[in-house]
Amino acid sequence: SQTIHQWPATLVQPVGSPLSLECTVEGTSNPNLYWYRQAAGRGLQLLFYSIGIGQISSEVPQNLSASRPQDRQFILSSKKLLLSDSGFYLCAWSEGGQAYEQYFGPGTRLTVT
Amino acid sequence: AQSVAQPEDQVNVAEGNPLTVKCTYSVSGNPYLFWYVQYPNRGLQFLLKYITGDNLVKGSYGFEAEFNKSQTSFHLKKPSALVSDSALYFCAVRDKTGGFKTIFGAGTRLFVKA
Repeated sequence: SQTIHQWPATLVQPVGSPLSLECTVEGTSNPNLYWYRQAAGRGLQLLFYSIGIGQISSEVPQNLSASRPQDRQFILSSKKLLLSDSGFYLCAWSEGGQAYEQYFGPGTRLTVT
Repeated sequence: AQSVAQPEDQVNVAEGNPLTVKCTYSVSGNPYLFWYVQYPNRGLQFLLKYITGDNLVKGSYGFEAEFNKSQTSFHLKKPSALVSDSALYFCAVRDKTGGFKTIFGAGTRLFVKA
């Protein structure tokens, strides 16, 4: 069966510090991968998605970036965090090709102080 | 452009009563429609989807949803609510011709009272 991992689970970082959140998927090949941010326990904002290694689409211009160095690894980064980057970050995957439903990781709670 | 509306921020229902969580959508073509559930401090869990075919789809934990093309709705239903159904529910839509981008609604918080 497929499993998705995210780490860390929680993170407190000062303004201006760098960020690296990692997501890995097991049990599938060539998945579509997604990064979302959820603010205040409500709606999801799609940040990035990827249909293959090195193929990243950005949905929201901001100081975040994403990379996919391996087939089942998706990394969210920032060089300098802003207070507004605080939130709950969710990684998700879906089957390559038709890309129907998405399966979400447990999330990372980021607090920028 | 795709959009999803969940008109109720919160739905309250007594345990054992039927529940409905509403969702309407807007897409330029034919939609893929989804419902997800989120428990506190957790990721979203997939409940059910409509891709094509029968307008009534059944999903996990006894939930079902009905696709209504004329009303552009995809309401989530359950015949008998449980206290454990209390959670945040998200409706989502993807245009069949619009690539991989899925739009999520703002979410509806369901409270089931014992």
